[in-house]
Amino acid sequence: EAGVTQFPSHSVIEKGQTVTLRCDPISGHDNLYWYRRVMGKEIKFLLHFVKESKQDESGMPNNRFLAERTGGTYSTLKVQPAELEDSGVYFCASSQEGAGASYEQYFGPGTRLTVT
Amino acid sequence: LAKTTQPISMDSYEGQEVNITCSHNNIATNDYITWYQQFPSQGPRFIIQGYKTKVTNEVASLFIPADRKSSTLSLPRVSLSDTAVYYCLVGFGHGSGNTGKLIFGQGTTLQVKP
Repeated sequence: EAGVTQFPSHSVIEKGQTVTLRCDPISGHDNLYWYRRVMGKEIKFLLHFVKESKQDESGMPNNRFLAERTGGTYSTLKVQPAELEDSGVYFCASSQEGAGASYEQYFGPGTRLTVT
Repeated sequence: LAKTTQPISMDSYEGQEVNITCSHNNIATNDYITWYQQFPSQGPRFIIQGYKTKVTNEVASLFIPADRKSSTLSLPRVSLSDTAVYYCLVGFGHGSGNTGKLIFGQGTTLQVKP
């Protein structure tokens, strides 16, 4: 079974440009999460989808970030316009609905975003 | 969610048993204790989860005392490939109102030497 995949693995863009990150969760996983780690900091939660609905977007830093999950399958995270402080590694994770107390999340390898 | 405290780093040698202790004094009744492992250039990977006493799987053991204010992840006979960052997380219990988001701390960087 394929794990969580993310594309691209690395993106280098200039300040002010737009970048779209993609995450394909494990098939059948209703829960999809975005996290990010900026340089020297801890991994931080961004938002949580249940199917196509945003369950919790309390971690989104500002309105330059837009996440979508059309059809409840893959998700995209768009940064527009990108700023220098957006540089970091963006992780996507998925988990099954009704995982109960387990909440075992499966992480993708991450997308390393560099804004110059 | 309860805050966790764990050592920033640890060193060990191949073949040794490694114990990483995590403090979570404010753990709630419904909270579970979960450990994740992260290798460089990879996303975190679930290792083990427990509520109380002892849990063991093919990778590690998790020891939780009766008061649940701390927990210890035990890695038997580590190898070089166990060099990674280990995160202790607390939460996710039924009725806790948590949506499942994970709150990561700094983690413990384990360096296994030959």
